Amino acid sequence: GAGVSQSPSNKVTEKGKDVELRCDPISGHTALYWYRQSLGQGLEFLIYFQGNSAPDKSGLPSDRFSAERTGGSVSTLTIQRTQQEDSAVYLCASSLRQGGDNSPLHFGNGTRLTVT
Amino acid sequence: AQSVAQPEDQVNVAEGNPLTVKCTYSVSGNPYLFWYVQYPNRGLQFLLKYITGDNLVKGSYGFEAEFNKSQTSFHLKKPSALVSDSALYFCAVRDRGGSNYQLIWGAGTKLIIKP
Repeated sequence: GAGVSQSPSNKVTEKGKDVELRCDPISGHTALYWYRQSLGQGLEFLIYFQGNSAPDKSGLPSDRFSAERTGGSVSTLTIQRTQQEDSAVYLCASSLRQGGDNSPLHFGNGTRLTVT
Repeated sequence: AQSVAQPEDQVNVAEGNPLTVKCTYSVSGNPYLFWYVQYPNRGLQFLLKYITGDNLVKGSYGFEAEFNKSQTSFHLKKPSALVSDSALYFCAVRDRGGSNYQLIWGAGTKLIIKP
């Protein structure tokens, strides 16, 4: 597709379960970002990938959160032992080049995670 | 510390009137400046950016933004608002050069256009 694709669009899970969120960036985009957004609020940075490497994992809230990227393309964000405070919209974005340039970010529509 | 401020949580404008959504920043150097819009239940969409040159930047959907270096501001404007402009607007900045990939985001401003 032409844009960033995220799946699932909605996920309801029970507290304590693990979830995997997927992001397909725009083809050829080397940079990939994960953000978290609470309802109608601002963006919380989680992690940044340049190719398959994650030089900045500083935003991951706890060791229950992990992410990987393979083939310089698809990325998965995994949350283990989910908690209710993990409920939010998880946004993925990609851009053409790495930092220091003016390439805009292209966002997916997000995955709305609800932990019951 | 580097920061971006959007001083208004919400802006209400009547349809057909001009609108302004404010953004000021505190970033070292000479950053790139961006505006993004988020419609309900959607991801963010890029609106426009300032790189260099003319201080007035034109973007999508009739929006424009004015860069003011002395006031470190990058306010978003539109001459005549539409109801469909109602959305959440985010200002963001990125440092130039080097390996700085990180965007600094404002908290967002909810724009409500009333018919």
